[in-house]
Amino acid sequence: KQEVTQIPAALSVPEGENLVLNCSFTDSAIYNLQWFRQDPGKGLTSLLLIQSSQREQTSGRLNASLDKSSGRSTLYIAASQPGDSATYLCAVNNAGNMLTFGGGTRLMVKP
Amino acid sequence: DAGVTQSPTHLIKTRGQQVTLRCSPKSGHDTVSWYQQALGQGPQFIFQYYEEEERQRGNFPDRFSGHQFPNYSSELNVNALLLGDSALYLCASSLFAPQTGTGGGYTFGSGTRLTVV
Repeated sequence: KQEVTQIPAALSVPEGENLVLNCSFTDSAIYNLQWFRQDPGKGLTSLLLIQSSQREQTSGRLNASLDKSSGRSTLYIAASQPGDSATYLCAVNNAGNMLTFGGGTRLMVKP
Repeated sequence: DAGVTQSPTHLIKTRGQQVTLRCSPKSGHDTVSWYQQALGQGPQFIFQYYEEEERQRGNFPDRFSGHQFPNYSSELNVNALLLGDSALYLCASSLFAPQTGTGGGYTFGSGTRLTVV
């Protein structure tokens, strides 16, 4: 059974810092991995999708990497802004096209 | 391009009642999945529908059932509601892909907040 863990559970940083969110998974036989952002009480917004054959994906100030063999992914956020404050969720796609989510990292960027 | 639409946005029900939640997938998507998200936790997979059939199911009791219509929209039904069913229910759509790792990602709706009292 796939298990996904996200560290840290919560993070508070001053504006402008570069930061890294971590995601680990126990079963490396994944098809892809997706990072989402969730604002309080809202749905999920897709940030980056990394296919199993890829090593990383970039979108603006966001960069996500994937190391399937070690069961790890990182989300790098450059020059953080208060508007980045949200919960960030990592989800892996195993057989059957179902997503297994981590518990999320709650990020607070202080002005 | 319309994304995933869910209705209603909020719902309050009494224990023992039944509820139906609705979802319209993103244009071009043919697969609908439902997730339950308790407060402070990551979403948990309930089930997935493709070609009007339940294809995958998570660890949820039979009180949770669903349906997919020919236009790919879907319903989630929960019978005999319990207090523990209070959660945000998320619908996600995707394009069913062969198991080659080249499929697209999931698009989520804004969710239905269900409160059972």
